[in-house]
Amino acid sequence: QQQVKQSPQSLIVQKGGISIINCAYENTAFDYFPWYQQFPGKGPALLIAIRPDVSEKKEGRFTISFNKSAKQFSLHIMDSQPGDSATYFCAASIIGNTPLVFGKGTRLSVIA
Amino acid sequence: NAGVTQTPKFQVLKTGQSMTLQCAQDMNHEYMSWYRQDPGMGLRLIHYSVGAGITDQGEVPNGYNVSRSTTEDFPLRLLSAAPSQTSVYFCASRNPRGQRYNEQFFGPGTRLTVL
Repeated sequence: QQQVKQSPQSLIVQKGGISIINCAYENTAFDYFPWYQQFPGKGPALLIAIRPDVSEKKEGRFTISFNKSAKQFSLHIMDSQPGDSATYFCAASIIGNTPLVFGKGTRLSVIA
Repeated sequence: NAGVTQTPKFQVLKTGQSMTLQCAQDMNHEYMSWYRQDPGMGLRLIHYSVGAGITDQGEVPNGYNVSRSTTEDFPLRLLSAAPSQTSVYFCASRNPRGQRYNEQFFGPGTRLTVL
């Protein structure tokens, strides 16, 4: 049973455009929702994370939108750049010593 | 700090061989975990540990063993390698408390091919 569903699998965006990646979760006990960015040949790295007590968190060009009632959250990348081309994973967990559950990833390509 | 280190970077095995993937972290993190990454499958949890002497199974534990004798090290053992274990393996660690709580740090990965 997949606890975190991520879409789309791949995404092509023009430079300067907005990239949007969506995730849905099932376990209402989850209280931590991070996004990880992975470049080819590297390990994933934390990009931005949100707790369910807020509906939006922004860091530079990256924004997480969170909808608790719909059990959905999304990553928005404003003014997308070729350097943003990477694989993005959403994840969810319960704060503390519980495993992160990952979505299957979205391969983003930003073209000039 | 070196962060999370993994060795080797690449490995080729024959079916039936055994080996150990090494993972170490120097951040004094209690929580460590192993994931495998396959195309289209995302990151799947193999085993994890919440501290020295404590391990638990993840989503895909079959064919793998772990132990945690120290806070720093969390090796992953393949008992009898199979072609289905061809994958990229990532070790990760995090501190569930403190200022950067829950931020999980990943190693650079080990690319394993089983023939």
